[in-house]
Amino acid sequence: DVKVTQSSRYLVKRTGEKVFLECVQDMDHENMFWYRQDPGLGLRLIYFSYDVKMKEKGDIPEGYSVSREKKERFSLILESASTNQTSMYLCASSPGGGGATNEKLFFGSGTQLSVL
Amino acid sequence: AQKVTQAQTEISVVEKEDVTLDCVYETRDTTYYLFWYKQPPSGELVFLIRRNSFDEQNEISGRYSWNFQKSTSSFNFTITASQVVDSAVYFCALSEAHKAGTALIFGKGTTLSVSS
Repeated sequence: DVKVTQSSRYLVKRTGEKVFLECVQDMDHENMFWYRQDPGLGLRLIYFSYDVKMKEKGDIPEGYSVSREKKERFSLILESASTNQTSMYLCASSPGGGGATNEKLFFGSGTQLSVL
Repeated sequence: AQKVTQAQTEISVVEKEDVTLDCVYETRDTTYYLFWYKQPPSGELVFLIRRNSFDEQNEISGRYSWNFQKSTSSFNFTITASQVVDSAVYFCALSEAHKAGTALIFGKGTTLSVSS
């Protein structure tokens, strides 16, 4: 089975800290995604990547950056965490190839980030 | 622009009742894919179904069934004889598949609570 692993289930950080959320998938998938989930707002796409060193902005990229140095790892970076970034962050991957996104996504369990 | 609307924020039913979760989508493309995902309390989203825009056949999988109607841009999900284990947040999603570098867009989700 495909496994998407997010490094932390719960994380508490201070305002202004630089925060790294790590995501690793073990099935050689081309596409990787970061979503945030907030009550009443559903899942919103932050960034995604369809190849190593490639990235595309999603709907809400402000305040975030990403890094994909290796195919299996996709990191989400909060340069200077703020309280409005308190949220559940979900990583996902799909087989992809050519940026295709008509495939099902495989999700990690999520990281609940609290910024105090 | 693509959009997915799940008008029902929360639904509560008693076990063995049938329940339908509504999903209405907007897209200008003729080629697209529709998805349903389930998010149980554990947090990890689980893929339920994918349907392409050229296949309007309804689908049944055990107690689950899906009704896809292009005429009304709807892709509704029905659970027959609901069970407590069906309690979860359900998301409908849309992908404009022919565009490289795009990603799945989710609705805001419907929280289903099934009581015994």
